[in-house]
Amino acid sequence: EADIYQTPRYLVIGTGKKITLECSQTMGHDKMYWYQQDPGMELHLIHYSYGVNSTEKGDLSSESTVSRIRTEHFPLTLESARPSHTSQYLCASRQADTQYFGPGTRLTVL
Amino acid sequence: GESVGLHLPTLSVQEGDNSIINCAYSNSASDYFIWYKQESGKGPQFIIDIRSNMDKRQGQRVTVLLNKTVKHLSLQIAATQPGDSAVYFCAEKTRSSASKIIFGSGTRLSIRP
Repeated sequence: EADIYQTPRYLVIGTGKKITLECSQTMGHDKMYWYQQDPGMELHLIHYSYGVNSTEKGDLSSESTVSRIRTEHFPLTLESARPSHTSQYLCASRQADTQYFGPGTRLTVL
Repeated sequence: GESVGLHLPTLSVQEGDNSIINCAYSNSASDYFIWYKQESGKGPQFIIDIRSNMDKRQGQRVTVLLNKTVKHLSLQIAATQPGDSAVYFCAEKTRSSASKIIFGSGTRLSIRP
């Protein structure tokens, strides 16, 4: 079973701030993902990575960027947060066909 | 396009009864299906999976059934317990989108005492 860590777990910030959501995994998985999810709703893929120095945009344009400099680390950055970014952000890594999810970051933009 | 959808947004079950959560998918090229459980405030947790060359797979208290003819899969939970209360998601992967797993909207399962 994979260990996926996300920090912070909760974040409240003002509009226009730059923020980075951290995600790390300790199992050496090459594929990693970021999803946005409103409570009880489906997951929307915003970014994914096949491995180091590989990043791809997902189906949802969230005005965010990612980087993959190390296998274990896949941070998500919002350059200028807006109230529409208020949501839960889930990070996942994948082994074979199974994704393992972190606990999520609940973001509120005022 | 590809889509995975659930028939019911909420399901209420008496404790001890069996629960059946249904899911429909539209892409006949999907070759792998997964059920996730998401408790409040947590990330989705893998429950059970099934490949398209199978029609049934059993785990501990859970069974997934796949009907490729009507593009339908279900999750059966035996002897439902209070700890089973959560939102359940089905997800699919197709051979054409090897890196993307598509999630459907969730079904909330609530347990009556």
